[in-house]
Amino acid sequence: EPEVTQTPSHQVTQMGQEVILRCVPISNHLYFYWYRQILGQKVEFLVSFYNNEISEKSEIFDDQFSVERPDGSNFTLKIRSTKLEDSAMYFCASTDGAATVYEQYFGPGTRLTVT
Amino acid sequence: ILNVEQSPQSLHVQEGDSTNFTCSFPSSNFYALHWYRWETAKSPEALFVMTLNGDEKKKGRISATLNTKEGYSYLYIKGSQPEDSATYLCASMNNNAGNMLTFGGGTRLMVKP
Repeated sequence: EPEVTQTPSHQVTQMGQEVILRCVPISNHLYFYWYRQILGQKVEFLVSFYNNEISEKSEIFDDQFSVERPDGSNFTLKIRSTKLEDSAMYFCASTDGAATVYEQYFGPGTRLTVT
Repeated sequence: ILNVEQSPQSLHVQEGDSTNFTCSFPSSNFYALHWYRWETAKSPEALFVMTLNGDEKKKGRISATLNTKEGYSYLYIKGSQPEDSATYLCASMNNNAGNMLTFGGGTRLMVKP
């Protein structure tokens, strides 16, 4: 069964460093998303991406964040200068967009720890 | 900003017990309600997507209902098994918010053998 994969599973970085989180969505999917969950809080939407551009983004997704689909298979989230409060589990999701209700398939997440 | 709430936060039941959880969401501009099952270190697994008032969906021993007028959904598990232990997340999709999901805080279920 096709699945969304994410690498790495755990990333530790120092405050101020740049990180890139990688995702491989399901191959025929058209819409891509990033969500995050800070420990003890709800899962929060960050950004959605369609047709090589951002379609929606939340207030969290400021200039420190960017997304890219560099090669038609990977979907990346870059944080330019990490802060302590960026420590969270980051989930990638994708959907084919054909279904009426846009069922989103999630990856297992990347746990980002900023020290 | 949508506010989606789930209760209880956690639940301990004995194997064989039936149980249910609640998800409440704003009923205005409602589009769809999703339920996910999430085990630690695994991907959240989609259980159900519901859109219409009165929808009922079933997958094995798990079922869900939807009331869009009052803004709530119930998830039921009949005859809980230890492998049902997981966090159950609901997420609402709103007509004004594109495809983004707004999640509740989850209900963590632990089933004791």
